[in-house]
Amino acid sequence: AQKVTQAQTEISVVEKEDVTLDCVYETRDTTYYLFWYKQPPSGELVFLIRRNSFDEQNEISGRYSWNFQKSTSSFNFTITASQVVDSAVYFCALSEPFLGFGNEKLTFGTGTRLTIIP
Amino acid sequence: NAGVTQTPKFQVLKTGQSMTLQCAQDMNHEYMSWYRQDPGMGLRLIHYSVGAGITDQGEVPNGYNVSRSTTEDFPLRLLSAAPSQTSVYFCASSSSPGGYTFGSGTRLTVV
Repeated sequence: AQKVTQAQTEISVVEKEDVTLDCVYETRDTTYYLFWYKQPPSGELVFLIRRNSFDEQNEISGRYSWNFQKSTSSFNFTITASQVVDSAVYFCALSEPFLGFGNEKLTFGTGTRLTIIP
Repeated sequence: NAGVTQTPKFQVLKTGQSMTLQCAQDMNHEYMSWYRQDPGMGLRLIHYSVGAGITDQGEVPNGYNVSRSTTEDFPLRLLSAAPSQTSVYFCASSSSPGGYTFGSGTRLTVV
């Protein structure tokens, strides 16, 4: 069975500080995808990144960066120079390959509530 | 381009009532799914569909029914609402190799 653990339930940092959100996953599949989603106070789910299991390159997008380490089954998310607008709940998710269709069912972590203090 | 549209956005039901949550997508995605979000539990898969006429159960299917008569629509039916079904419901669609697109959610309260 697949599992995603986000051990940090809530994090608060002062604006402009860097913050890392942890995500640890379990799967027996060799092919899978990892995702991060942002859920701002308005409630919608905003897609941030998708990474497949064969691509361990770190990715940077503006103030956001992701560190994927297969050896430790982790897919951590760092926000550099945090801003108040980054305040949200962040979910890490893992896909389950659905053989034959190429589509996946997602297993979500329980989320990390990030509060940026002005 | 509307993406994934969910209606209604808010709903209050009495225990035992039935209702249908609507979900429509205009991206011609084959794969659609329903999740529920509860505090401290993340999102959990209720039902999913890999194409018109094909549906299957997810992690928490009890008390819900789905059908997929067209590629665009994937309604979720609550057969007899219970307070335990108070939750936020998200519909999503996806296509390979693209990622998921989620609707804006339906907040359901069962009293």
